[in-house]
Amino acid sequence: QQQVKQSPQSLIVQKGGISIINCAYENTAFDYFPWYQQFPGKGPALLIAIRPDVSEKKEGRFTISFNKSAKQFSLHIMDSQPGDSATYFCAASSKDNFNKFYFGSGTKLNVKP
Amino acid sequence: DTEVTQTPKHLVMGMTNKKSLKCEQHMGHRAMYWYKQKAKKPPELMFVYSYEKLSINESVPSRFSPECPNSSLLNLHLHALQPEDSALYLCASSQAASGRYEQYFGPGTRLTVT
Repeated sequence: QQQVKQSPQSLIVQKGGISIINCAYENTAFDYFPWYQQFPGKGPALLIAIRPDVSEKKEGRFTISFNKSAKQFSLHIMDSQPGDSATYFCAASSKDNFNKFYFGSGTKLNVKP
Repeated sequence: DTEVTQTPKHLVMGMTNKKSLKCEQHMGHRAMYWYKQKAKKPPELMFVYSYEKLSINESVPSRFSPECPNSSLLNLHLHALQPEDSALYLCASSQAASGRYEQYFGPGTRLTVT
């Protein structure tokens, strides 16, 4: 059973547009939600992460929105650039098993110039 | 500095070979991880070492043998692999403490089994 469901599988956005990737979870014990960015042939890089005590976290052009009651969180990339073209993974973990990340299936983002 | 290094970058091995993957971090992290990633899939956890002790083994076949010689180094010994074991092998590290969840990944070793 997939613990974290991610959508869409792929996304095409024009340069300067907003990219939105969504994730949903069922386990209410999850208390840490990171997003990773991965370029082809490279390891995932931690982009931004959020805890459930806040509803939004912003770092530059990247924002996580968190809806605890709906058990959903999303990544917004403002002013998307061709250099943002990569695969994005959401993940979740809990304090009782913080070493184990449950990853979403990934979203391949293509930002068209 | 959030760097995790991995060697080699690429490895091609036959099914009867023995090889090792190496990972190193100097962030003072006390948890280190091995993940396997197939194309277009998320990373899949294989092993976790916490304070140099194996804490998680995700039922990985015995042809994969992890080793943590010290708090900065992590090895993955490979023997009698199958072609389906071809993948990107990622190492990661984190603080081994609740509340400090961030995992930092290395660039990976691209393994091809022929």
